[in-house]
Amino acid sequence: DSGVTQTPKHLITATGQRVTLRCSPRSGDLSVYWYQQSLDQGLQFLIHYYNGEERAKGNILERFSAQQFPDLHSELNLSSLELGDSALYFCASSGGPNVLTFGAGSRLTVL
Amino acid sequence: AQRVTQPEKLLSVFKGAPVELKCNYSYSGSPELFWYVQYSRQRLQLLLRHISRESIKGFTADLNKGETSFHLKKPFAQEEDSAMYYCALSGGSSASKIIFGSGTRLSIRP
Repeated sequence: DSGVTQTPKHLITATGQRVTLRCSPRSGDLSVYWYQQSLDQGLQFLIHYYNGEERAKGNILERFSAQQFPDLHSELNLSSLELGDSALYFCASSGGPNVLTFGAGSRLTVL
Repeated sequence: AQRVTQPEKLLSVFKGAPVELKCNYSYSGSPELFWYVQYSRQRLQLLLRHISRESIKGFTADLNKGETSFHLKKPFAQEEDSAMYYCALSGGSSASKIIFGSGTRLSIRP
């Protein structure tokens, strides 16, 4: 499958914990975008990486961080988790210009 | 600041009726506008983009810079159009942010 792959699909954890969400972009795509979708909310832009470099930040909390590795996969790290961090986290990749291919999402539940 | 507003959370129309999903934006430069769609149990996917000026699955959208709108229209709704629709904005070809509206759920009644 040459599409966008996100792992894990589902994750349940407790408040105060730290998790890492992983994204493998579509083959050949250099850009990776991360979005958060909370209940009844739209897609909130978190961060964009292009070929390993951070290009733009949205309303990403300081407790969250991300990086893109030389093989172009990306990880989103969420720490000191709170109940309000429960959401669907989407990764999307782009080969340009600005057209996104989305992954299936990682559903995070914080108890 | 970039902003995309979709005023309707839910739009319900009868099969065969016209559909218009509203999208308004705020951006100081020349934006690129998109509509993305998510069908049940499928991934979010691109429906159309304004620079392509094409009709996809009978849907069209015209960028109105004067009214800062990019409404999605279809003259005759079909049941398979039921889905979640998101309007998105990018600040041009070198933009780094692509932001989305809150989405409109379109429900087509038989």
